[in-house]
Amino acid sequence: AQTVTQSQPEMSVQEAETVTLSCTYDTSESNYYLFWYKQPPSRQMILVIRQEAYKQQNATENRFSVNFQKAAKSFSLKISDSQLGDTAMYFCAFTHSYGGSQGNLIFGKGTKLSVKP
Amino acid sequence: GAVVSQHPSRVICKSGTSVKIECRSLDFQATTMFWYRQFPKQSLMLMATSNEGSKATYEQGVEKDKFLINHASLTLSTLTVTSAHPEDSSFYICSARGRREVRNTIYFGEGSWLTVV
Repeated sequence: AQTVTQSQPEMSVQEAETVTLSCTYDTSESNYYLFWYKQPPSRQMILVIRQEAYKQQNATENRFSVNFQKAAKSFSLKISDSQLGDTAMYFCAFTHSYGGSQGNLIFGKGTKLSVKP
Repeated sequence: GAVVSQHPSRVICKSGTSVKIECRSLDFQATTMFWYRQFPKQSLMLMATSNEGSKATYEQGVEKDKFLINHASLTLSTLTVTSAHPEDSSFYICSARGRREVRNTIYFGEGSWLTVV
């Protein structure tokens, strides 16, 4: 069975600083997608960044970047220049690739990030 | 970008009654929709996967007679909680996957808070 593990239940960072959230996963598949989702107090799930397993280059979206280590099955999220609006729950998620389409998402337990002024 | 709308955002119902939650894809055809449940301070747990025009596939431990899922069209899936009890109170969130042009992205609805009194 596929699993996603986030070992940091809570983290805090000072505004403008950099923080890294950890995520490991377990799968025997070779084709899959990895995601980081942000869930603010509104509960809306917001896609932060996505990585296709076949791509060696780490995905980057503005202040958000990932460190994808396929052999180690590790997928960490780095947030640079943290902003107060980054305060939220962050979920790491995994899905298989079925002919290029995604299956259902498997989520980690989440990391609660607090950005302090 | 693609939008998924969920309705109602909040609903209170009496114990023993049934309540329906709608999930609509507003600007794309959703071939597959996923229903999740999220307890306070916990991650999203997949309840079922529904494909348009076919019966939903339920995850282990989810009562299909209690949580009725219908995906009658390419833009609408409904979750009906039948004979609701206080322990069914939770946050329910849907997500949708589209056809080829958006197949690499899953979009989430805003979620629905259900309180059974």
